[in-house]
Amino acid sequence: SQQGEEDPQALSIQEGENATMNCSYKTSINNLQWYRQNSGRGLVHLILIRSNEREKHSGRLRVTLDTSKKSSSLLITASRAADTASYFCATDAADDYKLSFGAGTTVTVRA
Amino acid sequence: DTAVSQTPKYLVTQMGNDKSIKCEQNLGHDTMYWYKQDSKKFLKIMFSYNNKELIINETVPNRFSPKSPDKAHLNLHINSLELGDSAVYFCASSQDGTGGSLYNEQFFGPGTRLTVL
Repeated sequence: SQQGEEDPQALSIQEGENATMNCSYKTSINNLQWYRQNSGRGLVHLILIRSNEREKHSGRLRVTLDTSKKSSSLLITASRAADTASYFCATDAADDYKLSFGAGTTVTVRA
Repeated sequence: DTAVSQTPKYLVTQMGNDKSIKCEQNLGHDTMYWYKQDSKKFLKIMFSYNNKELIINETVPNRFSPKSPDKAHLNLHINSLELGDSAVYFCASSQDGTGGSLYNEQFFGPGTRLTVL
């Protein structure tokens, strides 16, 4: 079964606004990763946060991790039309050799 | 240069046929994966190979058979195709497929859209 569950399923925002999406998971993890998928393309790795980290930044992306609540959030600041994509969280479970992906959040940035 | 490539990009075939999808990575990674993405975008791991050795074999019909001739290639052969096999299949690779590794960021190919009629 899925490990990560993203929320919301879909998000529509105006260019320049911030977009926040959340990921909840069930078991202990080594790390959590966020990926982006543009329509008709493969997934692209955005950021990896380890279980002992609480926050990580990469450009306009900010990821938080709360292992006590088994949740993570991805914030995209000052969104652009090019940010329109589906965003997936993936968990690397502590007792597993695979990444488990959620169903994704579809983000639409309106010009 | 393409890091992870797959061929073909589109595959349309009849039920009952046998088909193969090829994947190559030029990143020097040790681990390669096959994923299936359904129409709701849910991505499910099918297989993983580390240095040509099978390390993940999820509950997948035995009509699906992966083959890794060397660590840069992982092909997927599907026998007796069924309607439910229609999906997008992604190949991916990572430097290290060991759980907990800092190097298991995965690099994905562009996908192969399989349509079974």
